[in-house]
Amino acid sequence: DVKVTQSSRYLVKRTGEKVFLECVQDMDHENMFWYRQDPGLGLRLIYFSYDVKMKEKGDIPEGYSVSREKKERFSLILESASTNQTSMYLCASPDKGQMNTEAFFGQGTRLTVV
Amino acid sequence: GENVEQHPSTLSVQEGDSAVIKCTYSDSASNYFPWYKQELGKGPQLIIDIRSNVGEKKDQRIAVTLNKTAKHFSLHITETQPEDSAVYFCAASKAGRRALTFGSGTRLQVQP
Repeated sequence: DVKVTQSSRYLVKRTGEKVFLECVQDMDHENMFWYRQDPGLGLRLIYFSYDVKMKEKGDIPEGYSVSREKKERFSLILESASTNQTSMYLCASPDKGQMNTEAFFGQGTRLTVV
Repeated sequence: GENVEQHPSTLSVQEGDSAVIKCTYSDSASNYFPWYKQELGKGPQLIIDIRSNVGEKKDQRIAVTLNKTAKHFSLHITETQPEDSAVYFCAASKAGRRALTFGSGTRLQVQP
């Protein structure tokens, strides 16, 4: 089975801190995504990457950046955490192939910024 | 960009009844429509998907229908069971954009 692993289940950070959320997938997928999940808003795309060192902004990139130095690892960075970034963060990686297909999700990181 | 609307936001049914969740999308170029189930404390998992060249797809108690003309698709769960209780998300994407656009989610509660 494909496995997408996020390094932390729960994080509590202070306002202004630099925060790193890590995601690793074990199936040699090219594409990786970061979403945030908020009640009533569903999942919103923050950034995605379709290859090493390649990245593209999603729908809500403000306040975030990403890093993809290795194919299996995609990091989400909060440059200066703010309380409105308190949320559930989900990493996903779709299967290979030309056609859109199943995306495999990590278990999520619940971030609280105080 | 794509916009996906999902209704209802909460749904409570009695065990054994059917449940229907509806979504509409805005981008006529969208051609892939998956449904995800998210259980408490877990990431979403795909339960069924449909492509734009098909009008209906069924997998045991779960079915999805797609109306391309009206740009809406629906999830149907028959003979609901308590373990069907979860949050369900619809999504849409199109060729050339692997990222999914999600609906706002439906919390389904199946009462025993």
